[in-house]
Amino acid sequence: GAVVSQHPSRVICKSGTSVKIECRSLDFQATTMFWYRQFPKKSLMLMATSNEGSKATYEQGVEKDKFLINHASLTLSTLTVTSAHPEDSSFYICSAPPTDLYGYTFGSGTRLTVV
Amino acid sequence: AQTVTQSQPEMSVQEAETVTLSCTYDTSESDYYLFWYKQPPSRQMILVIRQEAYKQQNATENRFSVNFQKAAKSFSLKISDSQLGDAAMYFCVVSSGGSNYKLTFGKGTLLTVNP
Repeated sequence: GAVVSQHPSRVICKSGTSVKIECRSLDFQATTMFWYRQFPKKSLMLMATSNEGSKATYEQGVEKDKFLINHASLTLSTLTVTSAHPEDSSFYICSAPPTDLYGYTFGSGTRLTVV
Repeated sequence: AQTVTQSQPEMSVQEAETVTLSCTYDTSESDYYLFWYKQPPSRQMILVIRQEAYKQQNATENRFSVNFQKAAKSFSLKISDSQLGDAAMYFCVVSSGGSNYKLTFGKGTLLTVNP
């Protein structure tokens, strides 16, 4: 089945710095990638949708300038948390739409801790 | 807009027994898909089962089956012969059809399997 590789799995950064999270589709082309945020013991909240060759679509309430999303190629989408603050600490997951009969493919997630 | 309601925040089941997780949803789409995903402690999202809304026959996948009641907008998951490895957070998910592919997640049900 389709595989989405997400890196890094864990990252700790200082407040005020920026962090980039990458999601790569390994054996298929993903023209769209969904980015979610998940708080502990909570559900996934869609932050934005990236589209190859066009601007990302952000959900209501998500700061575009803080969460920069880029879909550089058909196999790479990135989320950059800019000027990170402790409240940005969370679990971030990417997901690609289905390419087969099975379902959406999710990355393994990134645990971001801002200190 | 789509909504997904999982009314059971936590459930427990004895190993080898059967458990049913409830889910109701609301959508204005005529073409949509329903999924159950599990998220074990590793936090990797794993597809459990998928149901196309246009299909009347309930989907089954080995020990997992659904009871899809389209008119009632109900989509419950039955796990038979529960195993310790089934312990996870289970999310009921609705996907809009067409080119949108957006997913709407329920809040999740934390399933504990007792030996």
